[in-house]
Amino acid sequence: SQTIHQWPATLVQPVGSPLSLECTVEGTSNPNLYWYRQAAGRGLQLLFYSVGIGQISSEVPQNLSASRPQDRQFILSSKKLLLSDSGFYLCAWSVDDRRNTEAFFGQGTRLTVV
Amino acid sequence: GDSVTQMEGPVTLSEEAFLTINCTYTATGYPSLFWYVQYPGEGLQLLLKATKADDKGSNKGFEATYRKETTSFHLEKGSVQVSDSAVYFCALKGGSYIPTFGRGTSLIVHP
Repeated sequence: SQTIHQWPATLVQPVGSPLSLECTVEGTSNPNLYWYRQAAGRGLQLLFYSVGIGQISSEVPQNLSASRPQDRQFILSSKKLLLSDSGFYLCAWSVDDRRNTEAFFGQGTRLTVV
Repeated sequence: GDSVTQMEGPVTLSEEAFLTINCTYTATGYPSLFWYVQYPGEGLQLLLKATKADDKGSNKGFEATYRKETTSFHLEKGSVQVSDSAVYFCALKGGSYIPTFGRGTSLIVHP
């Protein structure tokens, strides 16, 4: 069966420090991968998605970046965190299909920038 | 572009009450529709889905019917429990690779 791992679960980082969040998927190949951010009291904001290795699409211009160095690995990074980067970050995957398939989510990372 | 609108919360109910959370959508073509649930501190889990008009998705006592004529996918449950307290997200997936989510509706069920 397919599983998704996301870590760390909780992170407290000072302003200006770098960030690296990692997500890996097991049990499937060539998944579509997504990074979302969920701010308190708000919905899900799509940050990045990827349909293949090295293929990254950005939905929101900001100081975050994403990379997909391997088929089932998706990394969210920042060189210098801002206070506004605080939030709940969710990685998700879906089968490489445009319409019918649902997204499967990791457990999320609670990031607090202080 | 695609969009999902769902009722704002929180929705506060007593145990065994009837639940409705409204969801309407805008999309080109024929999207698939989903309801996800998020328990505190966790990621989202698929609750149910429907892939074509008039389909009814159901799971754990929750139901939603894909209404193309009203572009709606309202979530219902006949008798809620305290354990149903969570945030519920309506979503669609149309002709792109990207799922589109509503803003989420918080449900609080009191004993």
